[in-house]
Amino acid sequence: AQTVTQSQPEMSVQEAETVTLSCTYDTSESDYYLFWYKQPPSRQMILVIRQEAYKQQNATENRFSVNFQKAAKSFSLKISDSQLGDAAMYFCAYNRGSTLGRLYFGRGTQLTVWP
Amino acid sequence: DSGVTQTPKHLITATGQRVTLRCSPRSGDLSVYWYQQSLDQGLQFLIQYYNGEERAKGNILERFSAQQFPDLHSELNLSSLELGDSALYFCASSENTGLGGYTFGSGTRLTVV
Repeated sequence: AQTVTQSQPEMSVQEAETVTLSCTYDTSESDYYLFWYKQPPSRQMILVIRQEAYKQQNATENRFSVNFQKAAKSFSLKISDSQLGDAAMYFCAYNRGSTLGRLYFGRGTQLTVWP
Repeated sequence: DSGVTQTPKHLITATGQRVTLRCSPRSGDLSVYWYQQSLDQGLQFLIQYYNGEERAKGNILERFSAQQFPDLHSELNLSSLELGDSALYFCASSENTGLGGYTFGSGTRLTVV
């Protein structure tokens, strides 16, 4: 069964600093997708970044980047130049490379950003 | 505004009652997904519809049912409500199979008292 594990229930970072959120997953599939979603206090689930497993290059979206280690089944999110607006719950998610679009979510990491 | 509309935003009801949550997907999206978010269970996949047909079923209780209508909006029906059904219910939509990720609505907060 697919499982996603986020081992850090809470993290904190100083404004303008860099923080890395960890995620590991378990799968027997060779082709799949990985995501980081952000859930601020507004409760809205917002897609932060996406990585296709067949791509070796790590995805980057402005201040957000991932370190995708396929063999280790690790998918960490790095937030550079942290801003107060980055404070949120971050969820790692996995999607099989098939016609089924369901996401398997981790339990989340609550990120606090200090001024 | 994500383009996915969920109503109502908040709902308070008593145990044993039945409620209906509604979701309008983003324009052009054929797939609709329902998720339940609670503190103890995290984000749980309930069910997926694609162009009116059930595509996948997750941890959905028998007391819960859903459907997707010809205009592609979807409804999640929750009956014989229990205190443990109190949660945030999300709808999400995608153009096709959702392999590239999808767009979430802002959720319906259900409180069962």
